[in-house]
Amino acid sequence: GEDVEQSLFLSVREGDSSVINCTYTDSSSTYLYWYKQEPGAGLQLLTYIFSNMDMKQDQRLTVLLNKKDKHLSLRIADTQTGDSAIYFCAERWAYKYIFGTGTRLKVLA
Amino acid sequence: DGGITQSPKYLFRKEGQNVTLSCEQNLNHDAMYWYRQDPGQGLRLIYYSQIVNDFQKGDIAEGYSVSREKKESFPLTVTSAQKNPTAFYLCASSPIPDRGSNEQFFGPGTRLTVL
Repeated sequence: GEDVEQSLFLSVREGDSSVINCTYTDSSSTYLYWYKQEPGAGLQLLTYIFSNMDMKQDQRLTVLLNKKDKHLSLRIADTQTGDSAIYFCAERWAYKYIFGTGTRLKVLA
Repeated sequence: DGGITQSPKYLFRKEGQNVTLSCEQNLNHDAMYWYRQDPGQGLRLIYYSQIVNDFQKGDIAEGYSVSREKKESFPLTVTSAQKNPTAFYLCASSPIPDRGSNEQFFGPGTRLTVL
């Protein structure tokens, strides 16, 4: 079955880079996504990557995809206190979107 | 201003009551979804609908019901049969999956508490 795994917590200092990792199981996924959730709010799409790409950069965000190992990562450069949130990776399988458990990022001032 | 709205933001229910959560979108998306989120857990799919008048059960449909009479609306009813309904409920929509990125867009959520 489909399963997406993430580590639960990450703590970084303000100004450092954050790297959030995700492993997925469905090699037929065409798109993989990263979402951000702030407390008490819905999910906000941050970025996505097509499965035939290795890397995608969007301002402070860099997504790396290792399709062979089914590993996805999100790097946030110059992490700010406003980046503190829960980050979810997700893969799309037909009409269904499979979400990881989320990684809670805490940014220390 | 396109988006997804959910109401109410907070909802309290007594045991044994049915309650309906509203979800409306004006993004002209064909597909709509309901998820449940519990503290420290990811999103679990309750129901989804690809087209008007059609919907499918997700992974945790027991104790829930939905309808899709209009493209823009996908209300979720939490019935008294749902044994542990206290949770944060998220509605989402997306275009029909094709060759595009077809990301999901989420509403702000409804927090349901059973008293």
